[in-house]
Amino acid sequence: NAGVMQNPRHLVRRRGQEARLRCSPMKGHSHVYWYRQLPEEGLKFMVYLQKENIIDESGMPKERFSAEFPKEGPSILRIQQVVRGDSAAYFCASSGTSAQETQYFGPGTRLLVL
Amino acid sequence: AQSVTQLDSHVSVSEGTPVLLRCNYSSSYSPSLFWYVQHPNKGLQLLLKYTSAATLVKGINGFEAEFKKSETSFHLTKPSAHMSDAAEYFCVVTGNPSNDYKLSFGAGTTVTVRA
Repeated sequence: NAGVMQNPRHLVRRRGQEARLRCSPMKGHSHVYWYRQLPEEGLKFMVYLQKENIIDESGMPKERFSAEFPKEGPSILRIQQVVRGDSAAYFCASSGTSAQETQYFGPGTRLLVL
Repeated sequence: AQSVTQLDSHVSVSEGTPVLLRCNYSSSYSPSLFWYVQHPNKGLQLLLKYTSAATLVKGINGFEAEFKKSETSFHLTKPSAHMSDAAEYFCVVTGNPSNDYKLSFGAGTTVTVRA
C-alpha cells in the first residue's frame, strides 16, 4: 500500500536549467496538489490538478512554472530557467475521489539551484 | 481569507513531560483543521483532524487537540513526550467552501526532546 511517491528526492540545478519534479499519487487517488515550502516557512499551495485538467493554479508563479497530470503516468511540476529563489522543498499531496477528502503528502523534492 | 498562526517557533521539552503546541486560526467559515508532523527529510504525516464533530480530537501517537471556537484555537497536546516526537509540527486550516482543498499552513513549530 504505497503512499504518495515523489522523485527525485533531491535535485540540484544551475541557474537557467530546467527542473522536472514527479509525483505519483496514492493508488485510487485522482486529485493531486503541489505545495512549495521555502526555508523557515510553512507550505504554500501552488496548484490543484485532476487527470488531464488543471483545476486551480492560483498559487503558481505566472512565469516559468507549469504543471500537468496526464491520463497515464505521474503528475509533473516543471520549472523552466530556474533561479536561486526557486530553491525550496516541493511537496505533492493526493486525495481520493473528492477534493474534500484528506490530503496525503509525499516525501517532497528538495530543489537546490546553484 | 483563512490563516494560521503558530505561536511558538521552537518548543523544547524533557522526555516524559507534557507537550503543548499552540495554534490560532482565522476563518470566515467553519473550517476543518489539521495537525501534520514532518520528521527530518521525510514527508508530512497526518496526526489528527477536526471536521466539526467532537471538539476534542484524538490522533496518532498519543496526540490530541481541542477545537475552541470562542478562542479560535486548536492547540496540540501530548501528556508525555517521547524522543521520537522530535520533529516539526504544522497546524493547517482548509480554505473557504468553494476551494476548501487549498490548505493554509502555519509556519511550523520545531519540537526538541531532551533526554
